[in-house]
Amino acid sequence: DGGITQSPKYLFRKEGQNVTLSCEQNLNHDAMYWYRQDPGQGLRLIYYSQIVNDFQKGDIAEGYSVSREKKESFPLTVTSAQKNPTAFYLCASSMNRGPNTEAFFGQGTRLTVV
Amino acid sequence: QQPVQSPQAVILREGEDAVINCSSSKALYSVHWYRQKHGEAPVFLMILLKGGEQKGHEKISASFNEKKQQSSLYLTASQLSYSGTYFCGTGMATSYDKVIFGPGTSLSVIP
Repeated sequence: DGGITQSPKYLFRKEGQNVTLSCEQNLNHDAMYWYRQDPGQGLRLIYYSQIVNDFQKGDIAEGYSVSREKKESFPLTVTSAQKNPTAFYLCASSMNRGPNTEAFFGQGTRLTVV
Repeated sequence: QQPVQSPQAVILREGEDAVINCSSSKALYSVHWYRQKHGEAPVFLMILLKGGEQKGHEKISASFNEKKQQSSLYLTASQLSYSGTYFCGTGMATSYDKVIFGPGTSLSVIP
């Protein structure tokens, strides 16, 4: 089955540690996105990538880093510089860049930093 | 830059209608609508492009007025399965490949 997979579903980390969230898609989509979801704030764009080896900052990129070495993979690293990392993180992909392509979302990773 | 959605929350009885509004202060090229059920991934409903077209998806339809930079989602004869949080996402004319989502509207349909 084609889809987008995020792992793990739940993640706990100690404050000050970097942590990497996995996102893999087998839809052959060019574009991939990372969103952060907090109660009452909707989905806020962290980073997005339209092509391998290229990515752009979204609205809340500070404290996060990404890589896009393969078309199917777009891991997100939450660094110790992120002041409030506890949140629900959603990865999405779409066929290509453009205004008329739907995004497919993964099931999300809930990160808790203690 | 984040679009504004209204209402913030709404409770309906089965069979009732609802309208969810989305507005932006920026010139829009596209509006995207998604529904998310609790603990699940958002699911695509529809995309509207500049041109003021209206689209439909079963008993859910939407309109887009690019002059007013507004979109509305219409849910008619609501069903229990319509419950969830509805997000609008906006693509700007200057950067249409970057979709910015609103804070969401929580919709609860009760028997």
